Amino acid sequence: GAVVSQHPSWVICKSGTSVKIECRSLDFQATTMFWYRQFPKQSLMLMATSNEGSKATYEQGVEKDKFLINHASLTLSTLTVTSAHPEDSSFYICSAIGGGIGNTIYFGEGSWLTVV
Amino acid sequence: QQQVKQSPQSLIVQKGGISIINCAYENTAFDYFPWYQQFPGKGPALLIAIRPDVSEKKEGRFTISFNKSAKQFSLHIMDSQPGDSATYFCAARDQTGANNLFFGTGTRLTVIP
Repeated sequence: GAVVSQHPSWVICKSGTSVKIECRSLDFQATTMFWYRQFPKQSLMLMATSNEGSKATYEQGVEKDKFLINHASLTLSTLTVTSAHPEDSSFYICSAIGGGIGNTIYFGEGSWLTVV
Repeated sequence: QQQVKQSPQSLIVQKGGISIINCAYENTAFDYFPWYQQFPGKGPALLIAIRPDVSEKKEGRFTISFNKSAKQFSLHIMDSQPGDSATYFCAARDQTGANNLFFGTGTRLTVIP
């Protein structure tokens, strides 16, 4: 079946640095990708919707200058956490959907970010 | 505002028993209702999904019951096993709109031997 891959699975970075997380659709073209953030024991919070070749649409309260999203191709979207702080430590999950209605949304395995 | 309300928050079931998780929604534009299973440290995995033109869908031990008039849907896990212990999320999507999923708050299921 369809697979969405995230990389890295785990990352530790120093406060003030930037870190990039990749989300790839491995066997289908994803016209839309979504980025979520999940805190321990909580639900997934949608951060932004990313459409290939256009600017991402951010949810209210999500800083677009801090969480840079690039959907450069139909199989790759990246999330860059800029000037990371400890409060950015979280589980980040992407999902992808192909073109047209009725398509299933597939999730990546998630990326744990720890900012020290 | 929580678009999809889920209950209970946690659930403990004896092995072999039936696990039932309930969700409710308000937005009548929602037309796709998936359930996801998430193990600790992993991304959500699609378990089963239903569209509002049917009232029930069964796949193996998992059944979704859907009540369109009440705007409610539920997941039933028959013959629950310890390996089913995970967090379950219901979700809803408006496929003619933004296409993103609105998640419930999750139910942590523990199946005890």
